Amino acid sequence: DVKVTQSSRYLVKRTGEKVFLECVQDMDHENMFWYRQDPGLGLRLIYFSYDVKMKEKGDIPEGYSVSREKKERFSLILESASTNQTSMYLCASSLGTSGRNEQFFGPGTRLTVL
Amino acid sequence: DQQVKQNSPSLSVQEGRISILNCDYTNSMFDYFLWYKKYPAEGPTFLISISSIKDKNEDGRFTVFLNKSAKHLSLHIVPSQPGDSAVYFCAASDTNAGKSTFGDGTTLTVKP
Repeated sequence: DVKVTQSSRYLVKRTGEKVFLECVQDMDHENMFWYRQDPGLGLRLIYFSYDVKMKEKGDIPEGYSVSREKKERFSLILESASTNQTSMYLCASSLGTSGRNEQFFGPGTRLTVL
Repeated sequence: DQQVKQNSPSLSVQEGRISILNCDYTNSMFDYFLWYKKYPAEGPTFLISISSIKDKNEDGRFTVFLNKSAKHLSLHIVPSQPGDSAVYFCAASDTNAGKSTFGDGTTLTVKP
């Protein structure tokens, strides 16, 4: 079974703090994704990566950056957290670079920025 | 501009009946469509998919229909079971782009 793990289930941070969200997958998938889920807005893509050290902006990259130094690990960074970044963050991975491949999701990290 | 829309935020059906969840898209480049199911406190899990060269795909109780001319797809669940109660996300892919665009989700409640 593919497993995607996220470093924290719940996180509380202060405005202005630097926040790291870590994601690890164990199935040698090429693609990795970061989404945020907000009520009424569904899943919105922040960034994705199709290879080590490669990254592409998604639909809402502002205020975020990412890092992919190893194939299995994809990190989301909030350089200076703000209250409007309070959300559920979901990481996903998929095999290959085609959009035909299903994505496997982690359990999510609920981030609260005070 | 929302490219994938699920116009019904919620749907309630009786156990044993059919559930029909709808999804509309605007981008003609989308050529592959997926449905995911999400339970509370869990990540979404893949349910069923369909290529744009087909108009129907069936997997057990789940069937997805695609109407390309109307840019509309639907997920049918029959018979519905209480364990099907979850949020369902429609996703559309341009297979050359390597990523999917998700709808807002529809919360399905199946009453015993």
